[in-house]
Amino acid sequence: GAVVSQHPSRVICKSGTSVKIECRSLDFQATTMFWYRQFPKQSLMLMATSNEGSKATYEQGVEKDKFLINHASLTLSTLTVTSAHPEDSSFYICSARGTSEVQQFFGPGTRLTVL
Amino acid sequence: QKEVEQDPGPLSVPEGAIVSLNCTYSNSAFQYFMWYRQYSRKGPELLMYTYSSGNKEDGRFTAQVDKSSKYISLFIRDSQPSDSATYLCAMKLGITSYDKVIFGPGTSLSVIP
Repeated sequence: GAVVSQHPSRVICKSGTSVKIECRSLDFQATTMFWYRQFPKQSLMLMATSNEGSKATYEQGVEKDKFLINHASLTLSTLTVTSAHPEDSSFYICSARGTSEVQQFFGPGTRLTVL
Repeated sequence: QKEVEQDPGPLSVPEGAIVSLNCTYSNSAFQYFMWYRQYSRKGPELLMYTYSSGNKEDGRFTAQVDKSSKYISLFIRDSQPSDSATYLCAMKLGITSYDKVIFGPGTSLSVIP
């Protein structure tokens, strides 16, 4: 299957700082990318959907000013957690889908810990 | 009622057993059904993908969809310790970019050697 990478895999930061997470599709063009958040022993919660070159569509309850998403190219999307707080600590996973694809391919996830 | 329900487990079976994982859903309009495997601290990996009702087999894995009952299953034959993971069912209405994938909460499986 297609490969999606995420960087960094793990980040620890102080409260109030901003953290950027990158998601790349390595061997296909991702017209749509998704960002999920997952708490321990819980399912994936969709945060936002982004199409290349367009503004992201955020799910209800997700603060767009706090979770900035950029999908500037067909192979790269970034999620920036601004002014992170301890409650933002979570596992963030991106996923990507090519044109006319049904399947989504997931990245390995980024573990964010905010102290 | 949640859109997709799944027994969270944990489910523990001996090596070699047949495992049955199940999900029920409420929206009869779902057409695409998927099973993902997620190892601890990793992203989900697509295992099986089926469209509409019926069975699909891939090696030791068989996915079954019963749209009349709104019930999907994943069977794992000759289970191995390496199958120990969380299994997420997922489904969607269509294939456009507006169709979101709805995930179940996942079932944690342990295969004991």
